[in-house]
Amino acid sequence: TQLLEQSPQFLSIQEGENLTVYCNSSSVFSSLQWYRQEPGEGPVLLVTVVTGGEVKKLKRLTFQFGDARKDSSLHITAAQPGDTGLYLCAGARGYNKLIFGAGTRLAVHP
Amino acid sequence: EPEVTQTPSHQVTQMGQEVILRCVPISNHLYFYWYRQILGQKVEFLVSFYNNEISEKSEIFDDQFSVERPDGSNFTLKIRSTKLEDSAMYFCASSDAGVAEAFFGQGTRLTVV
Repeated sequence: TQLLEQSPQFLSIQEGENLTVYCNSSSVFSSLQWYRQEPGEGPVLLVTVVTGGEVKKLKRLTFQFGDARKDSSLHITAAQPGDTGLYLCAGARGYNKLIFGAGTRLAVHP
Repeated sequence: EPEVTQTPSHQVTQMGQEVILRCVPISNHLYFYWYRQILGQKVEFLVSFYNNEISEKSEIFDDQFSVERPDGSNFTLKIRSTKLEDSAMYFCASSDAGVAEAFFGQGTRLTVV
């Protein structure tokens, strides 16, 4: 069974702080996606990483795919209240489905 | 910006009834998916569809479930005889290159009473 473990499960920080969310697995993935999900809505794609060691930046968000393509991290610099939400990682093995992690619920307080 | 659209946004049905959830994927995409999310739980894969046939399905996707692409734009999920445990958010997604860059719809909240 392929599993993606996300940590931490919950994160509550003050505006301006930095944070890192982790996504780990014992399985190799062909690609890994990070999504953000608001309550009652569908996941919104933030980024896809494909190559081991790949780093992608999206404004204050930095995404990294592990060298072995088993893990990934999301780092947010100078978090803002607008970053509050549920962050999901999802790994692909093959072309037919995504395996989702349980998510990290982030709260950024002014 | 192109998006995946799903209807209805909310469906309430009695146990044992059939429901059809509808999706319009992004127009130039070739791969289509259904996922579900029970309240407070992970997003779970149900089925993938490519070239007018099922590519892969999960163990959740039993004989009560079926998918169809009846025309060039719609993609539907049918549950033949709903059970209480089918209550969940159902998400349609589409992709133009396998699983990479899968875009999700807003979901249909199915409530079975």
